Amino acid sequence: GDSVTQMEGPVTLSEEAFLTINCTYTATGYPSLFWYVQYPGEGLQLLLKATKADDKGSNKGFEATYRKETTSFHLEKGSVQVSDSAVYFCALSGQAAGNKLTFGGGTRVLVKP
Amino acid sequence: DADVTQTPRNRITKTGKRIMLECSQTKGHDRMYWYRQDPGLGLRLIYYSFDVKDINKGEISDGYSVSRQAQAKFSLSLESAIPNQTALYFCATSDLGTGGTDTQYFGPGTRLTVL
Repeated sequence: GDSVTQMEGPVTLSEEAFLTINCTYTATGYPSLFWYVQYPGEGLQLLLKATKADDKGSNKGFEATYRKETTSFHLEKGSVQVSDSAVYFCALSGQAAGNKLTFGGGTRVLVKP
Repeated sequence: DADVTQTPRNRITKTGKRIMLECSQTKGHDRMYWYRQDPGLGLRLIYYSFDVKDINKGEISDGYSVSRQAQAKFSLSLESAIPNQTALYFCATSDLGTGGTDTQYFGPGTRLTVL
């Protein structure tokens, strides 16, 4: 079945540091890929998405590129802020699964001033 | 007002009790979902509904049931709560977008503790 693997946290960074969170997936067909973010005490919010190979999703300074050859969708941000402290979830929506979302385990990111 | 609301936000109950968690949405979406979140496991799908007459089991439906009372309402029930159902529960909605992309919108969550 479909699965998503992302790096375990926590990831602790200083403000203005570069952030990368690795995400790889297994799926049949051509899934859509997502990054969701969960701020403390809140539900998940869509951060960005990509629907086909080589697409780049971007939002709020975050970027991720859909790499079918490596089955990856790594999240990057060039200069993090304290307000980026959150849990980040990689997910896929598989055509074979009726477009239901499959989530990775989440990566907690803590940005220190 | 929030597009997806959940009640209650926090609940502490005892083993064996029946519990209902409610979800309402104003987004006009047909699809609704219930997930549970456990540390390190991400979100796992409990049940989902693609319209009022459609109910489907997710990957961890045992011990849970749902009711889709209307397009806007989707309730999750624990008939006899047990401690390993202690978790954070999320409701989500979606409407199949162009190209078949299914972006989901989440409620704020219900923290359930079963003693």
